[in-house]
Amino acid sequence: GIQVEQSPPDLILQEGANSTLRCNFSDSVNNLQWFHQNPWGQLINLFYIPSGTKQNGRLSATTVATERYSLLYISSSQTTDSGVYFCAVGRSQGNLIFGKGTKLSVKP
Amino acid sequence: GAVVSQHPSWVICKSGTSVKIECRSLDFQATTMFWYRQFPKQSLMLMATSNEGSKATYEQGVEKDKFLINHASLTLSTLTVTSAHPEDSSFYICSARDLAAKLNEQFFGPGTRLTVL
Repeated sequence: GIQVEQSPPDLILQEGANSTLRCNFSDSVNNLQWFHQNPWGQLINLFYIPSGTKQNGRLSATTVATERYSLLYISSSQTTDSGVYFCAVGRSQGNLIFGKGTKLSVKP
Repeated sequence: GAVVSQHPSWVICKSGTSVKIECRSLDFQATTMFWYRQFPKQSLMLMATSNEGSKATYEQGVEKDKFLINHASLTLSTLTVTSAHPEDSSFYICSARDLAAKLNEQFFGPGTRLTVL
């Protein structure tokens, strides 16, 4: 099956800093999503981005499908950005396969 | 739009009892819903695919007689944990994709935290 690797596994930032999270996947996919899991466990959809670049406020994401990786950029980080960020991939209308996540801690 | 709800949010039960978890797509229809399980500090793992009007398909290692799935309508799937044991304690999350949408984007419920005593 498809393998998904996220890096780094843990990231500690000072408030205001920028960061880049990476997601590598082992095969072609038609679905790639980034999520933020809040402290209560809810998965918040950040981006649906099987290819290309998108931006939403301080967050942006880029997927290079031909090279099988995606990047999530967080600029001017805030303490509320803390949590676990997951990358998940899938094919067509099938299930998503999740990476192990990046745990982000933003210190005031 | 694209809201998925789960009920209950959390449940505590005694060993040996059964627990039913509901997953509803509130503003869209879904022929397929997915059930995932997440243990503490781990990632989400697919348990089963719920298909409206037909039998669910289970991932290897997931007991179909223990985790009963019913997808009776285009907006509701239920997961019943039968004869629950402490090792079944986990966070259960469902997801669904809008049948009418062009994109494959999936939306997740808020999850159900099950604790078996």
